[in-house]
Amino acid sequence: AQKITQTQPGMFVQEKEAVTLDCTYDTSDQSYGLFWYKQPSSGEMIFLIYQGSYDEQNATEGRYSLNFQKARKSANLVISASQLGDSAMYFCAMRPNSGGSNYKLTFGKGTLLTVNP
Amino acid sequence: DTEVTQTPKHLVMGMTNKKSLKCEQHMGHRAMYWYKQKAKKPPELMFVYSYEKLSINESVPSRFSPECPNSSLLNLHLHALQPEDSALYLCASSQANLAGGPYNSPLHFGNGTRLTVT
Repeated sequence: AQKITQTQPGMFVQEKEAVTLDCTYDTSDQSYGLFWYKQPSSGEMIFLIYQGSYDEQNATEGRYSLNFQKARKSANLVISASQLGDSAMYFCAMRPNSGGSNYKLTFGKGTLLTVNP
Repeated sequence: DTEVTQTPKHLVMGMTNKKSLKCEQHMGHRAMYWYKQKAKKPPELMFVYSYEKLSINESVPSRFSPECPNSSLLNLHLHALQPEDSALYLCASSQANLAGGPYNSPLHFGNGTRLTVT
């Protein structure tokens, strides 16, 4: 079974500053993927970034980067140059790469990010 | 614009009503999902269809009945719901399927249907 822990229920950041959202995970799988999603108040879940467990480089997508520390089982999301539109709920999620009934995306509880002007 | 389309956006129904939620994707994805999300909580998986066959049912009550008429469409039929079933219902699709890959394929979500049961 997989478990995702997001310890920050809420975070505040000033516009144009960087912010780190924490995510730790627990799994017995050797091969897995980590995903971050953004959910604005409108409800849509927006995919942000992916990190594979065997990827040697930390993933980056525009202003989003993932600080992946496999030994510590952490996959923190870094948002650079925060914008007001970044205010949303952010979910960390994990999926094992083995198929079958375990091939499910498990979500953390989320972190509500508020960007202040 | 999202590539997964859900209708309706909002639905209010009584406990004796029968209604359906609809989801459509044209990305050629072979896995489709229904999630239920309560306020301030993460999405909870309900059903997974892989190649149009129901592959995962997360012990969902029978008052929720999924249907996958073809590879682009996914329905969720609702009957005799309870007020506690009020939630945001999210549909998603992905290239990744229960055969195990591609590994970096994310789930693409629709905007959801906000369901209120009175």
